[in-house]
Amino acid sequence: GENVEQHPSTLSVQEGDSAVIKCTYSDSASNYFPWYKQELGKGPQLIIDIRSNVGEKKDQRIAVTLNKTAKHFSLHITETQPEDSAVYFCAALTSGSARQLTFGSGTQLTVLP
Amino acid sequence: DAGVTQSPTHLIKTRGQQVTLRCSPKSGHDTVSWYQQALGQGPQFIFQYYEEEERQRGNFPDRFSGHQFPNYSSELNVNALLLGDSALYLCASSLLDRDSYGYTFGSGTRLTVV
Repeated sequence: GENVEQHPSTLSVQEGDSAVIKCTYSDSASNYFPWYKQELGKGPQLIIDIRSNVGEKKDQRIAVTLNKTAKHFSLHITETQPEDSAVYFCAALTSGSARQLTFGSGTQLTVLP
Repeated sequence: DAGVTQSPTHLIKTRGQQVTLRCSPKSGHDTVSWYQQALGQGPQFIFQYYEEEERQRGNFPDRFSGHQFPNYSSELNVNALLLGDSALYLCASSLLDRDSYGYTFGSGTRLTVV
């Protein structure tokens, strides 16, 4: 089955700086890669996603890049703000009949004012 | 448009008891997946239901079972509760269409086993 590894587990940045979180996946059949933000006491909220036929996607201060050959994808947050502080999860969805979303272990992002 | 709703939000049970958690999917979605999220970890896939049948199952024992109703809502049942079953249980709904990828998560049910 799919295995998703996520680094780093914790990340502290100064307000206004950029943050980068990296994930690798193992199953070449995975074709959809979402990123979720989870705040305390809440469920994961989708912040951006990318499909395997695209190399990069951007939405305002958030961007995701995908390298299918290397099987890794990254989340980039620019101009970080205190409200960006949360746990971020990457995930991979395997195509075909066995469609299942597999998550990374999460990154606790802290934006220091 | 209501998203995914889960009930109850919190639950405390004793070891050996049984528990039922409920989930109503987002309008228009036909598939429900359940995840277990232990403290400080990523969500782990339990199983997925479509057309009232279990389509896939993760690495969880038979103590974990589920059901999907004709209106697409779903229940997760856990028998013979163990202390290690304490976790946040998340329900996610989606559309089983090869061109549809979005998963919408509920806020979860926090289960504490004492």
